[in-house]
Amino acid sequence: NAGVTQTPKFRVLKTGQSMTLLCAQDMNHEYMYWYRQDPGMGLRLIHYSVGEGTTAKGEVPDGYNVSRLKKQNFLLGLESAAPSQTSVYFCATTSGSRPNTEAFFGQGTRLTVV
Amino acid sequence: SQQGEEDPQALSIQEGENATMNCSYKTSINNLQWYRQNSGRGLVHLILIRSNEREKHSGRLRVTLDTSKKSSSLLITASRAADTASYFCATLPPMNTGFQKLVFGTGTRLLVSP
Repeated sequence: NAGVTQTPKFRVLKTGQSMTLLCAQDMNHEYMYWYRQDPGMGLRLIHYSVGEGTTAKGEVPDGYNVSRLKKQNFLLGLESAAPSQTSVYFCATTSGSRPNTEAFFGQGTRLTVV
Repeated sequence: SQQGEEDPQALSIQEGENATMNCSYKTSINNLQWYRQNSGRGLVHLILIRSNEREKHSGRLRVTLDTSKKSSSLLITASRAADTASYFCATLPPMNTGFQKLVFGTGTRLLVSP
């Protein structure tokens, strides 16, 4: 039972390159989230999904796209990477949008854009 | 925008001492949660306190909530070196305010020295 798995763990991109971050969960959770974590900023929500085939914008969605084709996978795409997207990215899941719901996190992807 | 602000930003103590960190938030909540993040890892849920609760315990953790002051505190008693981590509060808005997504604070870095 792996929980929430993110790939890759590390990546260096050149400005303008594209890449996709994969989040896979085996918890059968409905809700999935992508956050970015920057020093002094805490975690900021990029996009989220309330179920297969649905996505929505979070707090800082610009420059990112997402897809949830399968319930267990949530993909985060950067079409044209910029240095401002250098960050640590975390995927999280919750079983649903019920009040007493804790979030489960992946181990993070450290992305550097040069 | 960030909902929670943790205070202090950093805390350094000796093993065996108690560690107290505080979280202030801006808007009404359904519940408040505390998470721990070890260096280079994802966040792990510690404890959840509902808006109608004032205090909650879990092992060496004690959480208080004062909704009139929009603040919470996390107390770790008899701290250990293994408690060294960053601690984040996260708030969930009331159920009648749209999508229930956690909003994280900026975190407190705790260093426990042997």
